[in-house]
Amino acid sequence: GENVEQHPSTLSVQEGDSAVIKCTYSDSASNYFPWYKQELGKRPQLIIDIRSNVGEKKDQRIAVTLNKTAKHFSLHITETQPEDSAVYFCAASGPRQAGTALIFGKGTTLSVSS
Amino acid sequence: NAGVTQTPKFRVLKTGQSMTLLCAQDMNHEYMYWYRQDPGMGLRLIHYSVGEGTTAKGEVPDGYNVSRLKKQNFLLGLESAAPSQTSVYFCASSYGGGALHTQYFGPGTRLTVL
Repeated sequence: GENVEQHPSTLSVQEGDSAVIKCTYSDSASNYFPWYKQELGKRPQLIIDIRSNVGEKKDQRIAVTLNKTAKHFSLHITETQPEDSAVYFCAASGPRQAGTALIFGKGTTLSVSS
Repeated sequence: NAGVTQTPKFRVLKTGQSMTLLCAQDMNHEYMYWYRQDPGMGLRLIHYSVGEGTTAKGEVPDGYNVSRLKKQNFLLGLESAAPSQTSVYFCASSYGGGALHTQYFGPGTRLTVL
């Protein structure tokens, strides 16, 4: 089945710097790649997603890139702010996943210091 | 529009006790999912449902049962709780499966089994 690897597990940056989180997936049939942000004690919330027919997507300070050939995708956060501090999860889904459920990476704890 | 709600928010059980977690959604979604979240493990799929009256196993189904008697509700049962089931449980729902439909998460239930 699908396997999603996420790196790094922790990331510390200064306010205003950029942060990059990378994920790789194993199932070439996967076609949907969302990113979730989870603040302490809260539910995961979708921040951006990308589908396999697109190579890059941007939403203000957040961007996601997808390389289908290499089977990896990345989250880019520019001009980081303290409120960006949270755990970020990548996920993958596709027609071969049971119920097209999401397969999650293990998460990256991002700390932004001011 | 409450979205996805979960009951209870917290629960402490003794080994061998049983309980049911309730997930409700008011978005008329067909697909519903139960995930568990453990430190350093990301979220893992327990069971899912693609419509009223249907359920299926996910990645980690052992020790759990589910029912979807009404479209808006998805129940997760623990018949004989074990300490290994100490976790945070998240329910999610989506309008359909696949890359076209975002999964929305409930607020979570923190379960401790002593």
